[in-house]
Amino acid sequence: GAVVSQHPSWVICKSGTSVKIECRSLDFQATTMFWYRQFPKQSLMLMATSNEGSKATYEQGVEKDKFLINHASLTLSTLTVTSAHPEDSSFYICSARDGDRVTDTQYFGPGTRLTVL
Amino acid sequence: AQKITQTQPGMFVQEKEAVTLDCTYDTSDQSYGLFWYKQPSSGEMIFLIYQGSYDEQNATEGRYSLNFQKARKSANLVISASQLGDSAMYFCAILPDTDKLIFGTGTRLQVFP
Repeated sequence: GAVVSQHPSWVICKSGTSVKIECRSLDFQATTMFWYRQFPKQSLMLMATSNEGSKATYEQGVEKDKFLINHASLTLSTLTVTSAHPEDSSFYICSARDGDRVTDTQYFGPGTRLTVL
Repeated sequence: AQKITQTQPGMFVQEKEAVTLDCTYDTSDQSYGLFWYKQPSSGEMIFLIYQGSYDEQNATEGRYSLNFQKARKSANLVISASQLGDSAMYFCAILPDTDKLIFGTGTRLQVFP
Protein backbone atom coordinates (compact mmCIF):
# COMPACT_ATOMS: atom_id res chain seq x y z
CA GLY A 1 0.00 0.00 0.00
CA ALA A 2 0.88 3.66 -0.28
CA VAL A 3 3.19 5.05 2.38
CA VAL A 4 3.10 8.49 3.95
CA SER A 5 5.74 9.68 6.38
CA GLN A 6 5.77 12.53 8.85
CA HIS A 7 8.66 14.23 10.53
CA PRO A 8 9.20 14.73 13.37
CA SER A 9 7.25 12.06 15.25
CA TRP A 10 7.13 14.18 18.35
CA VAL A 11 8.37 17.57 19.37
CA ILE A 12 8.52 19.58 22.56
CA CYS A 13 9.01 23.31 22.21
CA LYS A 14 8.85 26.47 24.24
CA SER A 15 5.93 28.83 24.01
CA GLY A 16 6.43 31.46 21.32
CA THR A 17 8.59 29.36 19.01
CA SER A 18 7.59 27.99 15.62
CA VAL A 19 7.49 24.34 14.69
CA LYS A 20 7.55 22.85 11.19
CA ILE A 21 6.04 19.44 10.46
CA GLU A 22 6.73 17.64 7.18
CA CYS A 23 4.42 15.23 5.41
CA ARG A 24 5.78 13.15 2.54
CA SER A 25 4.21 10.65 0.19
CA LEU A 26 6.98 8.12 -0.35
CA ASP A 27 5.82 5.99 -3.24
CA PHE A 28 3.22 8.07 -5.01
CA GLN A 29 2.57 11.65 -6.01
CA ALA A 30 -0.11 13.54 -4.19
CA THR A 31 -1.69 16.62 -5.68
CA THR A 32 -3.79 16.94 -2.57
CA MET A 33 -2.81 16.48 1.05
CA PHE A 34 -4.80 17.10 4.19
CA TRP A 35 -3.86 18.22 7.68
CA TYR A 36 -5.83 17.03 10.69
CA ARG A 37 -5.69 17.66 14.40
CA GLN A 38 -6.66 15.14 17.02
CA PHE A 39 -7.15 15.84 20.71
CA PRO A 40 -6.86 12.98 23.22
CA LYS A 41 -9.65 10.45 22.94
CA GLN A 42 -11.32 12.42 20.18
CA SER A 43 -11.76 12.04 16.47
CA LEU A 44 -9.75 13.70 13.73
CA MET A 45 -10.73 17.22 12.79
CA LEU A 46 -9.77 18.54 9.37
CA MET A 47 -7.72 21.71 9.58
CA ALA A 48 -6.92 22.41 5.94
CA THR A 49 -6.61 21.01 2.45
CA SER A 50 -3.22 21.44 0.85
CA ASN A 51 -3.03 21.63 -2.95
CA GLU A 52 0.26 21.45 -4.79
CA GLY A 53 1.16 24.76 -6.33
CA SER A 54 -1.69 26.73 -4.82
CA LYS A 55 -2.84 28.14 -1.52
CA ALA A 56 -4.25 25.87 1.11
CA THR A 57 -7.95 25.86 1.92
CA TYR A 58 -8.59 26.25 5.63
CA GLU A 59 -11.57 25.00 7.58
CA GLN A 60 -13.72 27.42 9.48
CA GLY A 61 -12.12 28.47 12.74
CA VAL A 62 -8.56 27.56 11.74
CA GLU A 63 -6.21 30.54 11.70
CA LYS A 64 -4.29 30.50 8.43
CA ASP A 65 -1.64 32.89 9.78
CA LYS A 66 -0.99 30.60 12.70
CA PHE A 67 -0.96 27.32 10.80
CA LEU A 68 1.06 27.95 7.65
CA ILE A 69 0.80 25.28 4.98
CA ASN A 70 3.09 24.92 2.01
CA HIS A 71 2.70 22.23 -0.66
CA ALA A 72 5.78 22.89 -2.75
CA SER A 73 6.00 19.58 -4.56
CA LEU A 74 3.87 16.55 -5.38
CA THR A 75 5.41 14.61 -2.51
CA LEU A 76 5.82 17.16 0.25
CA SER A 77 3.53 19.34 2.31
CA THR A 78 4.61 21.24 5.41
CA LEU A 79 2.64 22.61 8.34
CA THR A 80 4.27 25.34 10.40
CA VAL A 81 2.75 26.19 13.75
CA THR A 82 3.84 29.78 14.29
CA SER A 83 4.31 31.28 17.75
CA ALA A 84 3.11 28.09 19.37
CA HIS A 85 1.28 28.21 22.69
CA PRO A 86 0.29 25.43 25.12
CA GLU A 87 -3.21 25.28 23.65
CA ASP A 88 -1.63 24.24 20.34
CA SER A 89 -0.40 21.02 21.96
CA SER A 90 -2.04 18.21 20.07
CA PHE A 91 -1.55 15.30 17.70
CA TYR A 92 -1.18 16.52 14.13
CA ILE A 93 -1.67 14.01 11.35
CA CYS A 94 -1.50 14.43 7.62
CA SER A 95 -2.92 12.40 4.79
CA ALA A 96 -2.14 12.24 1.09
CA ARG A 97 -4.67 11.30 -1.54
CA ASP A 98 -3.43 8.72 -4.00
CA GLY A 99 -5.08 10.05 -7.16
CA ASP A 100 -7.00 13.08 -8.29
CA ARG A 101 -10.51 11.76 -7.86
CA VAL A 102 -12.43 12.78 -4.79
CA THR A 103 -13.07 9.12 -3.97
CA ASP A 104 -9.42 8.07 -4.12
CA THR A 105 -8.12 6.76 -0.84
CA GLN A 106 -6.36 9.01 1.62
CA TYR A 107 -3.32 7.45 3.24
CA PHE A 108 -2.27 8.80 6.57
CA GLY A 109 1.09 9.56 8.06
CA PRO A 110 2.06 8.31 11.50
CA GLY A 111 1.33 11.66 13.11
CA THR A 112 3.32 14.24 15.05
CA ARG A 113 2.75 14.80 18.73
CA LEU A 114 3.37 18.44 19.62
CA THR A 115 3.82 19.58 23.21
CA VAL A 116 4.23 23.28 23.85
CA LEU A 117 5.61 24.19 27.27
CA ALA B 1 -25.01 18.20 6.57
CA GLN B 2 -22.87 15.09 6.65
CA LYS B 3 -22.56 13.02 9.79
CA ILE B 4 -21.06 9.74 10.90
CA THR B 5 -22.30 7.98 14.04
CA GLN B 6 -20.48 5.21 15.84
CA THR B 7 -22.60 4.19 18.80
CA GLN B 8 -20.16 1.80 20.43
CA PRO B 9 -17.45 3.62 22.44
CA GLY B 10 -15.85 0.29 23.28
CA MET B 11 -16.05 -3.36 22.29
CA PHE B 12 -14.51 -6.49 23.73
CA VAL B 13 -14.03 -9.68 21.76
CA GLN B 14 -12.22 -12.92 22.40
CA GLU B 15 -9.39 -13.92 20.13
CA LYS B 16 -10.48 -15.85 17.02
CA GLU B 17 -14.06 -14.63 17.32
CA ALA B 18 -15.72 -12.30 14.80
CA VAL B 19 -16.78 -8.79 15.77
CA THR B 20 -18.99 -6.16 14.13
CA LEU B 21 -18.35 -2.47 14.60
CA ASP B 22 -21.36 -0.29 13.85
CA CYS B 23 -21.42 2.79 11.68
CA THR B 24 -24.36 4.81 10.43
CA TYR B 25 -24.18 7.91 8.32
CA ASP B 26 -26.28 10.79 7.17
CA THR B 27 -25.83 12.49 3.84
CA SER B 28 -27.96 13.94 1.09
CA ASP B 29 -25.29 13.31 -1.56
CA GLN B 30 -26.02 10.64 -4.15
CA SER B 31 -22.36 9.79 -4.60
CA TYR B 32 -20.08 9.23 -1.63
CA GLY B 33 -17.48 6.88 -0.27
CA LEU B 34 -17.24 5.11 3.06
CA PHE B 35 -13.95 4.25 4.70
CA TRP B 36 -12.77 2.41 7.77
CA TYR B 37 -9.47 3.22 9.42
CA LYS B 38 -7.64 1.59 12.31
CA GLN B 39 -5.65 3.67 14.77
CA PRO B 40 -3.39 1.70 17.12
CA SER B 41 -1.85 3.30 20.20
CA SER B 42 1.05 4.54 18.07
CA GLY B 43 -1.35 7.00 16.46
CA GLU B 44 -1.02 6.09 12.81
CA MET B 45 -4.25 5.88 10.83
CA ILE B 46 -4.26 2.68 8.82
CA PHE B 47 -6.62 2.36 5.87
CA LEU B 48 -8.65 -0.85 6.07
CA ILE B 49 -11.47 -0.87 3.56
CA TYR B 50 -13.49 1.28 1.16
CA GLN B 51 -17.07 1.10 -0.10
CA GLY B 52 -18.46 3.31 -2.84
CA SER B 53 -22.10 4.31 -2.65
CA TYR B 54 -22.78 2.78 -6.07
CA ASP B 55 -20.96 -0.47 -5.36
CA GLU B 56 -23.48 -3.29 -5.32
CA GLN B 57 -21.16 -5.81 -3.74
CA ASN B 58 -20.02 -5.49 -0.14
CA ALA B 59 -16.33 -4.68 0.04
CA THR B 60 -13.94 -7.27 1.45
CA GLU B 61 -10.23 -7.07 2.27
CA GLY B 62 -8.81 -10.16 3.89
CA ARG B 63 -10.36 -10.50 7.36
CA TYR B 64 -12.23 -7.23 6.96
CA SER B 65 -15.61 -6.96 5.29
CA LEU B 66 -18.08 -4.14 5.12
CA ASN B 67 -21.77 -4.82 5.62
CA PHE B 68 -23.17 -2.02 3.46
CA GLN B 69 -26.90 -1.39 3.73
CA LYS B 70 -27.56 1.70 1.67
CA ALA B 71 -31.25 2.06 2.45
CA ARG B 72 -30.51 1.98 6.16
CA LYS B 73 -27.42 4.18 5.71
CA SER B 74 -25.21 1.80 7.59
CA ALA B 75 -21.70 0.57 6.86
CA ASN B 76 -20.70 -1.83 9.59
CA LEU B 77 -17.21 -3.30 9.70
CA VAL B 78 -16.90 -7.02 10.32
CA ILE B 79 -13.57 -8.40 11.50
CA SER B 80 -13.38 -12.16 11.29
CA ALA B 81 -11.06 -14.32 13.38
CA SER B 82 -9.94 -11.50 15.68
CA GLN B 83 -6.30 -11.28 16.62
CA LEU B 84 -4.64 -9.60 19.59
CA GLY B 85 -3.07 -7.13 17.17
CA ASP B 86 -6.54 -5.95 16.18
CA SER B 87 -6.85 -4.07 19.48
CA ALA B 88 -7.07 -0.42 18.48
CA MET B 89 -9.42 2.47 17.81
CA TYR B 90 -11.52 2.07 14.69
CA PHE B 91 -12.90 5.06 12.82
CA CYS B 92 -15.61 5.08 10.20
CA ALA B 93 -15.50 8.00 7.75
CA ILE B 94 -17.58 9.34 4.91
CA LEU B 95 -16.25 11.16 1.87
CA PRO B 96 -19.08 13.20 0.35
CA ASP B 97 -18.97 15.46 -2.69
CA THR B 98 -17.20 18.13 -0.65
CA ASP B 99 -13.94 16.16 -0.90
CA LYS B 100 -13.47 16.19 2.88
CA LEU B 101 -13.36 13.09 5.01
CA ILE B 102 -15.69 13.27 7.98
CA PHE B 103 -14.89 10.91 10.81
CA GLY B 104 -17.03 9.30 13.46
CA THR B 105 -16.05 9.35 17.13
CA GLY B 106 -14.49 5.93 16.94
CA THR B 107 -14.86 2.56 18.65
CA ARG B 108 -12.14 1.14 20.87
CA LEU B 109 -11.78 -2.57 20.23
CA GLN B 110 -10.05 -4.77 22.77
CA VAL B 111 -9.24 -8.35 21.83
CA PHE B 112 -8.50 -10.65 24.75
CA PRO B 113 -6.95 -14.13 24.75
